[in-house]
Amino acid sequence: KAGVTQTPRYLIKTRGQQVTLSCSPISGHRSVSWYQQTPGQGLQFLFEYFSETQRNKGNFPGRFSGRQFSNSRSEMNVSTLELGDSALYLCASSLEAGHQPQHFGDGTRLSIL
Amino acid sequence: GESVGLHLPTLSVQEGDNSIINCAYSNSASDYFIWYKQESGKGPQFIIDIRSNMDKRQGQRVTVLLNKTVKHLSLQIAATQPGDSAVYFCAEINAGNMLTFGGGTRLMVKP
Repeated sequence: KAGVTQTPRYLIKTRGQQVTLSCSPISGHRSVSWYQQTPGQGLQFLFEYFSETQRNKGNFPGRFSGRQFSNSRSEMNVSTLELGDSALYLCASSLEAGHQPQHFGDGTRLSIL
Repeated sequence: GESVGLHLPTLSVQEGDNSIINCAYSNSASDYFIWYKQESGKGPQFIIDIRSNMDKRQGQRVTVLLNKTVKHLSLQIAATQPGDSAVYFCAEINAGNMLTFGGGTRLMVKP
């Protein structure tokens, strides 16, 4: 069974631009969560989606948003990029909302110039 | 691969020795805990989990111990191998079923 797939693996943007990252969960998994990982702040929860609805949200500004499609695939969007948004963005999937453990993809490395 | 943390605590062990990685958690109401392993350039990989009604759980070469009195979690790796070199994170489930991660510990295995 294929794992969680995130695309692209690497992305370079400039300040002020926006970016969309994609996540395909493990087949049969209906819940998708997003995390930001930085050396300074570690792994921080962004949001969780289940049945195309945002179920939980972490403490991030409104520039960070996401959505989930009917096939459980998810995208996250960051608008008006700032230098501090440079990070590894990780997607994790699980069978149902709040179900553990979550299984992670290898992330998208976003660099802001 | 990228560095997941420039100033992580580091545990250095000799190949074949046992490793013990410790984690203090913050929420006494947390009832579920997970250990993840993250290798360079990869996402966190599930290792083992434990619920708060247990003190100990064993997997293949790994054991997790939970001490709720002092809010402490440990991961023991038996006969540590070079492939065990990675950053290890503990995570707890808080209200709303969200994962809260610890800062991580880098394990380095010397051949």
